[in-house]
Amino acid sequence: DGGITQSPKYLFRKEGQNVTLSCEQNLNHDAMYWYRQDPGQGLRLIYYSQIVNDFQKGDIAEGYSVSREKKESFPLTVTSAQKNPTAFYLCASSMAGGIRSNQPQHFGDGTRLSIL
Amino acid sequence: KNQVEQSPQSLIILEGKNCTLQCNYTVSPFSNLRWYKQDTGRGPVSLTIMTFSENTKSNGRYTATLDADTKQSSLHITASQLSDSASYICAEGTYKYIFGTGTRLKVLA
Repeated sequence: DGGITQSPKYLFRKEGQNVTLSCEQNLNHDAMYWYRQDPGQGLRLIYYSQIVNDFQKGDIAEGYSVSREKKESFPLTVTSAQKNPTAFYLCASSMAGGIRSNQPQHFGDGTRLSIL
Repeated sequence: KNQVEQSPQSLIILEGKNCTLQCNYTVSPFSNLRWYKQDTGRGPVSLTIMTFSENTKSNGRYTATLDADTKQSSLHITASQLSDSASYICAEGTYKYIFGTGTRLKVLA
């Protein structure tokens, strides 16, 4: 079945450590996104990519980095510069047209990141 | 400031009853209005996407309405089921979507 796979489901980070969250999709979607979800807040956009080898910062990109070397993959690295990384991270994808598109976004089931 | 506000924050209903969730947006210019269902610990699932010209859109027992004049949208759930227990999120945007904080619905047997 087509879909988006995020791994791991739970992740723990030590102080000063970088961690990478995986996001893979087999929907043949051009656009991919990373969101952060905190209790009592709406989803906030971290980074998005509309095509391979290109990506743009969202509203809260500081302390995060991404790469888009393959159409299917859009990993997110939470760096030590992100001082409050504890959150639920969601990856999404959509057909060509990216954020302006009227196509639905398909979400993965998230990675919950916590600080040790 | 572009915002999306949802009400109520939480709602409890009995199985088989109907309910309506509200979404007010101040985002301008309008692009499209989306409703998602999010089960606990899972990613959101798209329910409906409404463009400016659409007043009503249905997906099974879910019916979304849009009033572009008042900048309000509602999601009506008919004959609720236990599986409808979830958070319902609306989002709007022209370039980058703005998400509401959601309405947490609990359906009791």
